Amino acid sequence: SYVLTQSPSVSVAPGKTALITCGGNNIGRKSVHWYQQKAGQALVLVVYDDNHRPSGVPDRFSGSKSGNTATLTISRVEAGDEADYYCQVWDSDSDYWVFGGGTRLTVL
Amino acid sequence: QVQLVQSGAEVKKPGASVKLSCKVSGDTLSELSIHWVRQAPGKGLEWMGGFDPENGEPIYVHKFQDRVIMTKDTFTHTVYMDMSSLTSDDSAVYYCAALQGRNDYFDYWGQGTLVTVSS
Repeated sequence: SYVLTQSPSVSVAPGKTALITCGGNNIGRKSVHWYQQKAGQALVLVVYDDNHRPSGVPDRFSGSKSGNTATLTISRVEAGDEADYYCQVWDSDSDYWVFGGGTRLTVL
Repeated sequence: QVQLVQSGAEVKKPGASVKLSCKVSGDTLSELSIHWVRQAPGKGLEWMGGFDPENGEPIYVHKFQDRVIMTKDTFTHTVYMDMSSLTSDDSAVYYCAALQGRNDYFDYWGQGTLVTVSS
């Protein structure tokens, strides 16, 4: 089955840029989506189709892909961005929706 | 605005079954594909299955195929997930999530239902 790999944690100081990566075989051929999960709150879609933002998501959040890695970039990080972030794809071979293991973003 | 409202927390004994609900408002089930994702304590997200946006039929992750049944009541705009033969490994927060149209990402999420399996 298809596997997405994320680093367990990323730490960044306020005002700096956080890079959260998601690796997967041939991920360049798939659409990658990103979700934010704050403690005790419902999940929120922050990037879809690699690099599109839903309405209401700040433009500090952006997505990109290169090779076998997708990246969620959070610019000018704020304390309120502290959360777990998950990448997700739909695997056409299995017809399964697949999530990465999640990355905890800590704002120092 | 689409909202997904899930049923309340459940405590079950090993071997029992649980039926969770997810009520949709703000859109019709015909426009949405509802899926179920669970999260064990301290763990990541695990997709369990959902309704195929192509044909509306349920798709299950293989490991759940024999003990999970997903149904929908279009009259009450409610989707259900019935899970049997519960073990302590099934203790988790269960989320319903919605795809719109032919999207392959989850636009909307429910608030989650905590299921605790304990003797």
